[in-house]
Amino acid sequence: AQSVSQHNHHVILSEAASLELGCNYSYGGTVNLFWYVQYPGQHLQLLLKYFSGDPLVKGIKGFEAEFIKSKFSFNLRKPSVQWSDTAEYFCAVNPQNSGYALNFGKGTSLLVTP
Amino acid sequence: DTGVSQNPRHKITKRGQNVTFRCDPISEHNRLYWYRQTLGQGPEFLTYFQNEAQLEKSRLLSDRFSAERPKGSFSTLEIQRTEQGDSAMYLCASGTGTGGQGPNQPQHFGDGTRLSIL
Repeated sequence: AQSVSQHNHHVILSEAASLELGCNYSYGGTVNLFWYVQYPGQHLQLLLKYFSGDPLVKGIKGFEAEFIKSKFSFNLRKPSVQWSDTAEYFCAVNPQNSGYALNFGKGTSLLVTP
Repeated sequence: DTGVSQNPRHKITKRGQNVTFRCDPISEHNRLYWYRQTLGQGPEFLTYFQNEAQLEKSRLLSDRFSAERPKGSFSTLEIQRTEQGDSAMYLCASGTGTGGQGPNQPQHFGDGTRLSIL
């Protein structure tokens, strides 16, 4: 079955550590890719998106993600995390020409300790 | 804040009852989506409207579920004869888009309605 996989379900980091969250998908063809974040008690917010062009995309709050087509991956990175980055992170994929739905991974819960 | 608004925030009901949720999208957004999220999972797509037309429905949307967007503005999601398995967070999202396929623009999510079935 087609799916979106986030390999790390729970991540704990100290402030200033580097972050990389993995996301792989199994859809063929061209895809639109997204990372959403949900801070405690808040709604899902868009961090960054990739539709086409430069595979390294920059988002808000210092986050970036790299699309590697050959690996069907769209990993999220941040060089130095802050306590305020504690949140749930979701990768989402929309296969182009395949409807309007976003297909989400199960999410990664990130806890940043002081 | 002119984000996506969902009401009610919480709904507790007995099994077998009907429930209705409302979503008010961002005013200029022509696209509206419903998702369902259970604990430990990412949101799962239920249905999509472009203006007042319901263009896509997931297989998750059983015949007990119905969604409407009568004037292309707010939307309602009704669940009839609720079951324990319907307990979840129901999320609404809106966005803009041109063309026939794909979310050309990102989806903006509301805070959700949490449904608990007793």
